[in-house]
Amino acid sequence: GNSVTQMEGPVTLSEEAFLTINCTYTATGYPSLFWYVQYPGEGLQLLLKATKADDKGSNKGFEATYRKETTSFHLEKGSVQVSDSAVYFCALRSMDSNYQLIWGAGTKLIIKP
Amino acid sequence: NAGVTQTPKFQVLKTGQSMTLQCAQDMNHNSMYWYRQDPGMGLRLIYYSASEGTTDKGEVPNGYNVSRLNKREFSLRLESAAPSQTSVYFCASKEQGLFNSPLHFGNGTRLTVT
Repeated sequence: GNSVTQMEGPVTLSEEAFLTINCTYTATGYPSLFWYVQYPGEGLQLLLKATKADDKGSNKGFEATYRKETTSFHLEKGSVQVSDSAVYFCALRSMDSNYQLIWGAGTKLIIKP
Repeated sequence: NAGVTQTPKFQVLKTGQSMTLQCAQDMNHNSMYWYRQDPGMGLRLIYYSASEGTTDKGEVPNGYNVSRLNKREFSLRLESAAPSQTSVYFCASKEQGLFNSPLHFGNGTRLTVT
């Protein structure tokens, strides 16, 4: 079946460091891929998405590229801020999962000033 | 814009008690969802409603029931709470028919069953 695997957290970085959070997936066909972010005490919100191979999603300085050859959708940011501290979830949606989102376990990011 | 509103924010139940989690959205979305979030497990879908008048089971429906009261409201009921239902519950909504439109989430209900 479909699945999403994220790197375990927490990931702790200093302000202005480069961020990578790894996400790999298993799915047949051509799923759409998403990153959601959950700030403390809040619900999740969409950060970015990509709907086909080689697409790059971007928002708020974050980027992720849909790599079909490596079945990956790694989240990157060039210079993180304390305000980026949150939990980040990778997810996919495909016909095989009846169009429901399949979620990774989430990666907690802590940015120290 | 309120978006998706969930009540209550926190709840403590004893084993065997019942309760209903309320959810309402003001975005005129057709589809609504209930998820539970447990540490290290991401989100798991409990029930969803693709449109008013329909509900379907998700990945983990046992021990729960839902009601799509109208287009705005989608409630989740625990008839006889168990400690395994201790979790954070999220309601979400989405425009129907747009494959890649985002889910909009409420701020969650933290439920503890003792």
